[in-house]
Amino acid sequence: SQQGEEDPQALSIQEGENATMNCSYKTSINNLQWYRQNSGRGLVHLILIRSNEREKHSGRLRVTLDTSKKSSSLLITASRAADTASYFCATWAQGGSEKLVFGKGTKLTVNP
Amino acid sequence: DSGVTQTPKHLITATGQRVTLRCSPRSGDLSVYWYQQSLDQGLQFLIQYYNGEERAKGNILERFSAQQFPDLHSELNLSSLELGDSALYFCASSSTGLPRETQYFGPGTRLLVL
Repeated sequence: SQQGEEDPQALSIQEGENATMNCSYKTSINNLQWYRQNSGRGLVHLILIRSNEREKHSGRLRVTLDTSKKSSSLLITASRAADTASYFCATWAQGGSEKLVFGKGTKLTVNP
Repeated sequence: DSGVTQTPKHLITATGQRVTLRCSPRSGDLSVYWYQQSLDQGLQFLIQYYNGEERAKGNILERFSAQQFPDLHSELNLSSLELGDSALYFCASSSTGLPRETQYFGPGTRLLVL
């Protein structure tokens, strides 16, 4: 079963706009990660936020984590056509389940 | 380029057949993971190896098996293939396989079972 659930399933915006994707998860986590996947290609790691962190930045990416609500958001600012991809959140559950569990992803389309 | 290589890129085969997918981890990484990505199931963890030993098992069918060799490359064997096994199979690697680490994904093998 999926640990993370992304919302929305699909998002279409214009170049220059900001894109926000949300992820909810079910159990306590060690950390939460966001990955990007261009169509049919491998996943690229974007950012990792630990359970004791609330916000993290990397370039045009901003990730927040609210462990009380078991949710995270990924914000891409000033989006570009090259940001078109699927974005997945993934969690390592605490307690040694020893696997990274991915959500089903948000498909982002940035129109030029 | 993540540094993880997978071969072949594409594989077309028939039901009932057996195939082997190969993965070479990033230089220095000791842990290898296998994932299956399909439209209906999403991205599912199959199995993890660390330095030649199985470390964790996910939703891997009994018809599937994997191993990691002394040179740290890994192979995923899929047998008695069914139509539903058609999917993208990804390999990922990390340094020591601990939960706090980033996993680096290969480009995947696209398997089509006809």
